[in-house]
Amino acid sequence: EAGVAQSPRYKIIEKRQSVAFWCNPISGHATLYWYQQILGQGPKLLIQFQNNGVVDDSQLPKDRFSAERLKGVDSTLKIQPAKLEDSAVYLCASSPGQGLMNTEAFFGQGTRLTVV
Amino acid sequence: AQSVTQPDIHITVSEGASLELRCNYSYGATPYLFWYVQSPGQGLQLLLKYFSGDTLVQGIKGFEAEFKRSQSSFNLRKPSVHWSDAAEYFCAVGAGDSWGKLQFGAGTQVVVTP
Repeated sequence: EAGVAQSPRYKIIEKRQSVAFWCNPISGHATLYWYQQILGQGPKLLIQFQNNGVVDDSQLPKDRFSAERLKGVDSTLKIQPAKLEDSAVYLCASSPGQGLMNTEAFFGQGTRLTVV
Repeated sequence: AQSVTQPDIHITVSEGASLELRCNYSYGATPYLFWYVQSPGQGLQLLLKYFSGDTLVQGIKGFEAEFKRSQSSFNLRKPSVHWSDAAEYFCAVGAGDSWGKLQFGAGTQVVVTP
């Protein structure tokens, strides 16, 4: 079974530029998550989708971050304009459903963003 | 609000020696607790989880963890480490209804020496 695919793996941009990350979840997984992992910290949830609807985006900085999951499969996360503090690894994860009890979330390898 | 503390930022252990990683949590109700491992350039992989029942939980790769409610702890152990266990380990607590509501600790970096 193919895992969660993310691209690009690495990205370096200048501050105030825009950037987009792409995620292809495991086939059939209804729930998709974007996490931000700043160096030295644990991952922090940015946004959670159930199919193509947003379940939770309370920690997404909406003035500069946006995300979409058209057709309930692939997802893109965009930052515009980027700030230095956005330097982090952006992890995508997917799970068959939301519930904790009988499934788990599978993580992609992440996109490492460096803003200079 | 829930929180997770991993007191050790970095641990060095000899191959074949035992390993224990500490995790303390703060959560009002019965917590759902997890340990993840992240190898260099890889995503997070679930090692084990505790929801209820037996407080000693067995996971993959020979790891186990013990839930101690009185100490608000969920420490991870392995009797004999292998060089391939070098990685970063994250403890996480769940809000109860969704994988998306996990609160992660800052992680413990494990280095394995020959």
